[in-house]
Amino acid sequence: DVKVTQSSRYLVKRTGEKVFLECVQDMDHENMFWYRQDPGLGLRLIYFSYDVKMKEKGDIPEGYSVSREKKERFSLILESASTNQTSMYLCASSLQTGVAFFGQGTRLTVV
Amino acid sequence: KQEVTQIPAALSVPEGENLVLNCSFTDSAIYNLQWFRQDPGKGLTSLLLIQSSQREQTSGRLNASLDKSSGRSTLYIAASQPGDSATYLCAVPSYNNNDMRFGAGTRLTVKP
Repeated sequence: DVKVTQSSRYLVKRTGEKVFLECVQDMDHENMFWYRQDPGLGLRLIYFSYDVKMKEKGDIPEGYSVSREKKERFSLILESASTNQTSMYLCASSLQTGVAFFGQGTRLTVV
Repeated sequence: KQEVTQIPAALSVPEGENLVLNCSFTDSAIYNLQWFRQDPGKGLTSLLLIQSSQREQTSGRLNASLDKSSGRSTLYIAASQPGDSATYLCAVPSYNNNDMRFGAGTRLTVKP
């Protein structure tokens, strides 16, 4: 069974902390994505990656960075967490023209 | 940049009704279009993927159509059930076909 796994379902961090959200897929997909989802704003693309060590900015990259050192793992980094980064974060992976699979989501609260 | 719009934003129907959800997109040069379902507080589950060469796909009571030239897709749900209550999202790749853009979703409630 295909799987995209996010490291945490719920996370509470303090303002100014460096936060790492991890995503692992077991399907050998080239593409991986990070989105955040907020009420009334839908899913917004933060970053995506189409190959190892490759990354592209999405619509809202400010305050975030990513790392893809291995094909199966795509990490989202909040360099200095702020309260406006409180959100649901969703990771996905896909082949270029294939079905996308999502992780279960990480609900991050920054206090 | 690809823009995706979904209408209506919310829909409430009695059990047993057939219904149509709409998705429109601005850039018709796409590889595929995908419909997802999301339950509250959960991730997204893929329902149907239509390749650009296809006009429709069916899975059980769900049928999705694609009209690339007009930038539109519809998701048809037959004989709706309370278990169909969820938010339905459509997604299409952007112009470089490496990222995915989502509509805001349609929140469906099916009343027993």
